[in-house]
Amino acid sequence: DTEVTQTPKHLVMGMTNKKSLKCEQHMGHRAMYWYKQKAKKPPELMFVYSYEKLSINESVPSRFSPECPNSSLLNLHLHALQPEDSALYLCASSQDGGGASTDTQYFGPGTRLTVL
Amino acid sequence: SQQGEEDPQALSIQEGENATMNCSYKTSINNLQWYRQNSGRGLVHLILIRSNEREKHSGRLRVTLDTSKKSSSLLITASRAADTASYFCAPSTGANNLFFGTGTRLTVIP
Repeated sequence: DTEVTQTPKHLVMGMTNKKSLKCEQHMGHRAMYWYKQKAKKPPELMFVYSYEKLSINESVPSRFSPECPNSSLLNLHLHALQPEDSALYLCASSQDGGGASTDTQYFGPGTRLTVL
Repeated sequence: SQQGEEDPQALSIQEGENATMNCSYKTSINNLQWYRQNSGRGLVHLILIRSNEREKHSGRLRVTLDTSKKSSSLLITASRAADTASYFCAPSTGANNLFFGTGTRLTVIP
C-alpha cells in the first residue's frame, strides 16, 4: 500500500465553524506533513511530525491545530478560519522521521477547503 | 530562502517534442527533488538527485544538477499529452523540509 489518503475531498465552512481534516498512511512512514497550496502557487510547508512529535511549525496561525494520534494518522483541526485560508491542503508522508537526505515524500490528493 | 525558482513559468509544446525546465536555488543542499502535479491534485515524486551527482535518468526523464551554479534542469523526452501538468523542483537540506519552487506549467498539445 503506497497510498496517502485524505478526507474529506472538499470542505466548505463558515468562519465560526470547527472542522477537521484527516490524513492516513499505512506505509510505516515516520514523518508526516501538512502543506497549504493556493491556486497557481507551490505548496507551502505548514507542519512536520517526526515520530509522532511536532518537529516543525512554519509560523502557522493558531487557528490551525495539528494532531498526530498515532504513526498512521494526522489531523488538522480548523477553527475561526478566514476566507484567505481557502486553499488546497495537502498531506504527505516520508519513511524516515529523522530527515534522511534521500527521503522522498508521498502526497495525498488533498482537501479543497473553502471558507465563506 | 531555500525555495527554488523555475523557468519558464509556462511551456507549451507539441506531442513528441522534448520539454526542458530549469530550477535555480540559493542555499547549499543535500539533494534536489522534482515533483509533478496534475491540476488540483496531489504531487507525485519523479526523481531525486543527490548533491554529489551530476546527472540522473529515469525512463523519459533526465535531470542534471550543477551545484556550482546552484541550478538543475529536468528534461522530458518524447513528450505525451499525459505529461501535461505542473512541475516543481524542491531543493532539500535533508531535514524533513521541502521548499517547492514556483513551478513550470507544461502543456503538451496532441
